[in-house]
Amino acid sequence: GAGVSQSPSNKVTEKGKDVELRCDPISGHTALYWYRQSLGQGLEFLIYFQGNSAPDKSGLPSDRFSAERTGGSVSTLTIQRTQQEDSAVYLCASSLTRGDEKLFFGSGTQLSVL
Amino acid sequence: SQKIEQNSEALNIQEGKTATLTCNYTNYSPAYLQWYRQDPGRGPVFLLLIRENEKEKRKERLKVTFDTTLKQSLFHITASQPADSATYLCALPASGGSYIPTFGRGTSLIVHP
Repeated sequence: GAGVSQSPSNKVTEKGKDVELRCDPISGHTALYWYRQSLGQGLEFLIYFQGNSAPDKSGLPSDRFSAERTGGSVSTLTIQRTQQEDSAVYLCASSLTRGDEKLFFGSGTQLSVL
Repeated sequence: SQKIEQNSEALNIQEGKTATLTCNYTNYSPAYLQWYRQDPGRGPVFLLLIRENEKEKRKERLKVTFDTTLKQSLFHITASQPADSATYLCALPASGGSYIPTFGRGTSLIVHP
């Protein structure tokens, strides 16, 4: 695709439910990042995928958060048993390869946990 | 890990003036520093990257400086326009050898016509 695509653009869920957020990176980009942005806050790193290497999960805030990347392309971020503090914009970015510092971001998924 | 400081107060300037935004960092000196622009409801968009051995980089009306002694980068927009109104984020590697950018909270720029 022409850019990084994220879906859904908005998600409203009830506390305790599970949610899945999808990211479709730019074709050919091997590096994929998930960040979280709360209102008035900076981008908080969550997880990083590079090719077939084991992902860097050091930013995941709890074991309720997980992500996978299938076929080196599409990625899904899953949040189990959502809490109100999970409400934020979840941003996905991709870059051509590891060491290519320029990140291309999607428009994000606005998650609201009621 | 790296700590990045950007002015949390919005910068208000008149159209045609030069806007100057500041990014300060602590801890180790990064190999490079980036600036991104973020509009409401959108993801950040890459603008410029400056490496540790470069003191200044320009792109059209944008200029970035990088002072590794002061641990500071300045981002300038000359002849500013209302369309330049956005939040500007600086980013640098989380740690030496890291490929994962750490972002500042950003500074909001408002250019008044």
